[in-house]
Amino acid sequence: RKEVEQDPGPFNVPEGATVAFNCTYSNSASQSFFWYRQDCRKEPKLLMSVYSSGNEDGRFTAQLNRASQYISLLIRDSKLSDSATYLCVVTTNQAGTALIFGKGTTLSVSS
Amino acid sequence: DTGVSQNPRHKITKRGQNVTFRCDPISEHNRLYWYRQTLGQGPEFLTYFQNEAQLEKSRLLSDRFSAERPKGSFSTLEIQRTEQGDSAMYLCASRPPSGQGTEAFFGQGTRLTVV
Repeated sequence: RKEVEQDPGPFNVPEGATVAFNCTYSNSASQSFFWYRQDCRKEPKLLMSVYSSGNEDGRFTAQLNRASQYISLLIRDSKLSDSATYLCVVTTNQAGTALIFGKGTTLSVSS
Repeated sequence: DTGVSQNPRHKITKRGQNVTFRCDPISEHNRLYWYRQTLGQGPEFLTYFQNEAQLEKSRLLSDRFSAERPKGSFSTLEIQRTEQGDSAMYLCASRPPSGQGTEAFFGQGTRLTVV
């Protein structure tokens, strides 16, 4: 089983749609969780951290379910500019532990 | 520019040659990562440094790959006897010390093509 698994995608949605991505992780010691966004041929950039209580940033909502070991990202009112690959990232925060990325889910928003 | 800097941006090399990439992290960041990314895949972890200590290496990092961070600042990644399968984007990322922030900042990467 891969350490971090994401919905395979791609997701093709019209502008204004709501779309949700899920991600599961295998290491129960994982402590920090993030969603990164990567545009085509660009480097990944942090979209948002994911907190235990869930958190919201404008149209984006992230949630964490430790019992089931998954995190989710909800995008409301999709914009054309949301088209990108969304990467789920997990780390245990222990010394010597890397940030582990999922394969990413591609979102394409069309007009 | 105070972001993560990687050089060169592009590298084309013949199979069997050695290549070396450099990463200059954000100055106060003591944690540094190397990743490899191929088309359609997420970044695959290669190795991690905390200051000058290499604390973790992926099984992906064969004996042809070596990374250093001699003074705890910039890092180099060397690939010896390159193979066509080494063609990929090599990304470097840095993070501040634990407790001072969790976001990892990436450089723009070095795209390696082995012909």
